[in-house]
Amino acid sequence: TQLLEQSPQFLSIQEGENLTVYCNSSSVFSSLQWYRQEPGEGPVLLVTVVTGGEVKKLKRLTFQFGDARKDSSLHITAAQPGDTGLYLCAGTYNNNDMRFGAGTRLTVKP
Amino acid sequence: NAGVTQTPKFQVLKTGQSMTLQCAQDMNHEYMSWYRQDPGMGLRLIHYSVGAGITDQGEVPNGYNVSRSTTEDFPLRLLSAAPSQTSVYFCASSYGGLGAETQYFGPGTRLLVL
Repeated sequence: TQLLEQSPQFLSIQEGENLTVYCNSSSVFSSLQWYRQEPGEGPVLLVTVVTGGEVKKLKRLTFQFGDARKDSSLHITAAQPGDTGLYLCAGTYNNNDMRFGAGTRLTVKP
Repeated sequence: NAGVTQTPKFQVLKTGQSMTLQCAQDMNHEYMSWYRQDPGMGLRLIHYSVGAGITDQGEVPNGYNVSRSTTEDFPLRLLSAAPSQTSVYFCASSYGGLGAETQYFGPGTRLLVL
């Protein structure tokens, strides 16, 4: 059973466009993380959110944690080809059990 | 610092063979964990360790054994490989609990079981 649902599964856009990917769960998480993974490499942490309603910005990336701490979104402004990769959300519902979503595979075309 | 290193990078096994996937970190992290990544499934936690001598099961522990004799090393053992264990395996480490701290992932081991 996949506790975290990510959408869309695949996304292909042109350079300069904006996009949003979503991470939804039926469970409340104590924290939620977003990772980016490139082919042949391990995931790399982008951000951790812990407070309901929290918004964090990382350059052109904006992350939001839902008020009920059951959902999150990642918004990218003016996407660039370097943003291409697999974006994974991961929620923790106790300190030692982390569940990952299946990921959104983003392709940004020049 | 080398970070998190994994060996081998690629491995082909026959059903029933055994092998050990190696993982080492040089950041003095207490927490280490093993994940497998399958298409359409994301990463799933196999086993984790909160410090030397302490290990526990994750979401999909069956068919895998671990031990943690030192802070630096956390090997994953497959005692009798099965085709269902074909996957990409990632080791990760962090200072604190999995959700509270940054996890650093290794480059992965691609395993094919025939």
